[in-house]
Amino acid sequence: NAGVTQTPKFRVLKTGQSMTLLCAQDMNHEYMYWYRQDPGMGLRLIHYSVGEGTTAKGEVPDGYNVSRLKKQNFLLGLESAAPSQTSVYFCASGQAGGADTQYFGPGTRLTVL
Amino acid sequence: GEDVEQSLFLSVREGDSSVINCTYTDSSSTYLYWYKQEPGAGLQLLTYIFSNMDMKQDQRLTVLLNKKDKHLSLRIADTQTGDSAIYFCAEMTGGYQKVTFGIGTKLQVIP
Repeated sequence: NAGVTQTPKFRVLKTGQSMTLLCAQDMNHEYMYWYRQDPGMGLRLIHYSVGEGTTAKGEVPDGYNVSRLKKQNFLLGLESAAPSQTSVYFCASGQAGGADTQYFGPGTRLTVL
Repeated sequence: GEDVEQSLFLSVREGDSSVINCTYTDSSSTYLYWYKQEPGAGLQLLTYIFSNMDMKQDQRLTVLLNKKDKHLSLRIADTQTGDSAIYFCAEMTGGYQKVTFGIGTKLQVIP
């Protein structure tokens, strides 16, 4: 099992450009999440999904959109990138029940100039 | 509202015990977690504790939970250089598996 994978690993954008980050998981998890990690702020939830075809807003959703067309994939889109979106983005997946632990991908480091 | 607080930095000598502390505010938390993040990597679950427990031991790791004071701690016995990482405390609240993370404590192990 690959677990949770993210592509790309690194990306540099100019202000106003758009891009999509891809997250894939092979554990048949129902829940998937996108977080951003910034110095001194820990992880903040951007959007999440509780199943295929569903998405919901997290703590900091503005400027991002998501889609969960297939159970194993969760896409994060930036329509018009801004320097404030420079961050490290982590995807996670999990299964409801029990301790509901989350499994994280390796992260995508995004710089917006 | 939910808030999880941790100190930013801890330095210990190899072979000593490390204790990383965390406080949380939501008394309805069901699970509390400790995650480890090594440089350039994602978070990896280390251990968790259910809210009706006050202690959990797993090899070198001991988790203590004081619900009255909303205080969680992680003790690492015989700390090794490979334990150098950032440790995140997190609590689960809410019906949609909502997890709130602290800002992380950077553990530095001195050889």
